[in-house]
Amino acid sequence: IAGITQAPTSQILAAGRRMTLRCTQDMRHNAMYWYRQDLGLGLRLIHYSNTAGTTGKGEVPDGYSVSRANTDDFPLTLASAVPSQTSVYFCASSGLAGDNEQFFGPGTRLTVL
Amino acid sequence: GENVEQHPSTLSVQEGDSAVIKCTYSDSASNYFPWYKQELGKGPQLIIDIRSNVGEKKDQRIAVTLNKTAKHFSLHITETQPEDSAVYFCAAKEGYIPTFGRGTSLIVHP
Repeated sequence: IAGITQAPTSQILAAGRRMTLRCTQDMRHNAMYWYRQDLGLGLRLIHYSNTAGTTGKGEVPDGYSVSRANTDDFPLTLASAVPSQTSVYFCASSGLAGDNEQFFGPGTRLTVL
Repeated sequence: GENVEQHPSTLSVQEGDSAVIKCTYSDSASNYFPWYKQELGKGPQLIIDIRSNVGEKKDQRIAVTLNKTAKHFSLHITETQPEDSAVYFCAAKEGYIPTFGRGTSLIVHP
């Protein structure tokens, strides 16, 4: 693994189903983030974590949950998917200093029907 | 909280022309301003950044300027090339969580 990876690359999901998007980084970054990207709305923060064992809510957390059991992994779960959660999801990681670069994964394209 | 406005949302230029993207921020405590480039089908990638104690930074064809008093910063791309076509995001940070602008789609016509 080099950098930050996400799985799956894309997924089509029936409404009401549960889905977990996976994210793994090998840079030993303390901070990790989940964003959704929708046309015209840019990158909106869903949840974040600044260290293993702690998480926080971002701008659009409703319908999503996260966990941070260890430094490397930060899965995002949709407990019961709805069509409005159709989006491209990006995971990112960074150090905690204010001027640390954020590194983004390649994204997961999710379609909820 | 911080609010970042980015303009324009779309910018179309001819190859060789310059392109300028502008952002404003609201929180005077923000002290780090990165710019990200997102190519089609990929995640955003940092291309240049500037800290609040610097007014301008240049890296080959790209430069960023910062006006702390007016709370705005800009990305300048000179001698644009077709491979510069992408979505560009500005961001402002005070802690470790950035606030992003909504993005500018830059199209460079050959």
